[in-house]
Amino acid sequence: EAEVAQSPRYKITEKSQAVAFWCDPISGHATLYWYRQILGQGPELLVQFQDESVVDDSQLPKDRFSAERLKGVDSTLKIQPAELGDSAMYLCASSWAMASGYEQYFGPGTRLTVT
Amino acid sequence: SQQGEEDPQALSIQEGENATMNCSYKTSINNLQWYRQNSGRGLVHLILIRSNEREKHSGRLRVTLDTSKKSSSLLITASRAADTASYFCATHNFGNEKLTFGTGTRLTIIP
Repeated sequence: EAEVAQSPRYKITEKSQAVAFWCDPISGHATLYWYRQILGQGPELLVQFQDESVVDDSQLPKDRFSAERLKGVDSTLKIQPAELGDSAMYLCASSWAMASGYEQYFGPGTRLTVT
Repeated sequence: SQQGEEDPQALSIQEGENATMNCSYKTSINNLQWYRQNSGRGLVHLILIRSNEREKHSGRLRVTLDTSKKSSSLLITASRAADTASYFCATHNFGNEKLTFGTGTRLTIIP
């Protein structure tokens, strides 16, 4: 069964350093999402792509976070500089389309710890 | 921001019993979805119920939706140890194409 791939699975970094996460969605999925999940809470959407275009980044802290999906396939989320409050699980998900009837498929996540 | 609130926040039951968790939300929805998350892992889609549906079944899962009360419930029958996980409701709202997740219910099945 096809899966969403993410790497790395775990990342420990010092504050003020740069960090990057990678996501490879299920083949053929046009829509890709990055979520941040703080321990004990539900995922919160950071950015949503339709093919290579950003359709929602209203919750992305743009002073330090950036995301790209250059060829409309895999995607990278970057944080520079990392802050202590960025410690969280970063989840990538994909779906066939943006339309509301489609379920989202999640990757295993990247657990980020900022020290 | 979180749209939904799950209740209870945590639930422990004996294996074989039924587990019920509830979700309340604030704004009109297109559909509501339930997801399961095992500890430290990604989320897995369980079931989707549309705003014009009142009840839906999938295996041991039964979901109800009451749009007049802006609430949904997830029932897991004949629970198993493997059902131990966090369960999240997520709403798909009119006017945008994103899911908004609730705060989750942590379910523990005691063997």
